[in-house]
Amino acid sequence: GESVGLHLPTLSVQEGDNSIINCAYSNSASDYFIWYKQESGKGPQFIIDIRSNMDKRQGQRVTVLLNKTVKHLSLQIAATQPGDSAVYFCALGAAGNKLTFGGGTRVLVKP
Amino acid sequence: DAMVIQNPRYQVTQFGKPVTLSCSQTLNHNVMYWYQQKSSQAPKLLFHYYDKDFNNEADTPDNFQSRRPNTSFCFLDIRSPGLGDAAMYLCATSRDHVDQPQHFGDGTRLSIL
Repeated sequence: GESVGLHLPTLSVQEGDNSIINCAYSNSASDYFIWYKQESGKGPQFIIDIRSNMDKRQGQRVTVLLNKTVKHLSLQIAATQPGDSAVYFCALGAAGNKLTFGGGTRVLVKP
Repeated sequence: DAMVIQNPRYQVTQFGKPVTLSCSQTLNHNVMYWYQQKSSQAPKLLFHYYDKDFNNEADTPDNFQSRRPNTSFCFLDIRSPGLGDAAMYLCATSRDHVDQPQHFGDGTRLSIL
């Protein structure tokens, strides 16, 4: 079966530093990947996505990297701010299938 | 502006008393999903509608049902809530299944007395 896992359940980062959140997956047929941010009491919020024909995509202060060879996905947040404190989920899908969510990483930003 | 709206935000019901949670969307998306999320866990898909076609997940209990009377609205019915059904229930939409992000509402937190 497919599994999606995260390396670090909690990440503490100093305000202003960069954050890196990692996600490993096992299904080589996965061709679509998303990062979500979930703040306390709210639903998951779309951050950025990437398709399997790309290995890097940048947004505002965020970069997603995809390494299909080792089945690894990462989210980099530049200049982490207090508002970045949340739980981050990776999710992946294969053609015609639903999204599979990873277990989540909590990011705590220290002032 | 909220595009996926869930009501109510908090719902309290009694053990065994039927409860309905509602979701509406202004995105005109084809697909609507219901997820269950327990504390510190990832969302777990219960079922989804692609237009009017209902798709149940294999491990979703029969206690959970859904209705989609039109494109904009979708309901989650829990026929006989048990203590283990206390959770956050999330509604999401997407334009299509394939390579499309899902857009989530802020959920309904269900408590069982």
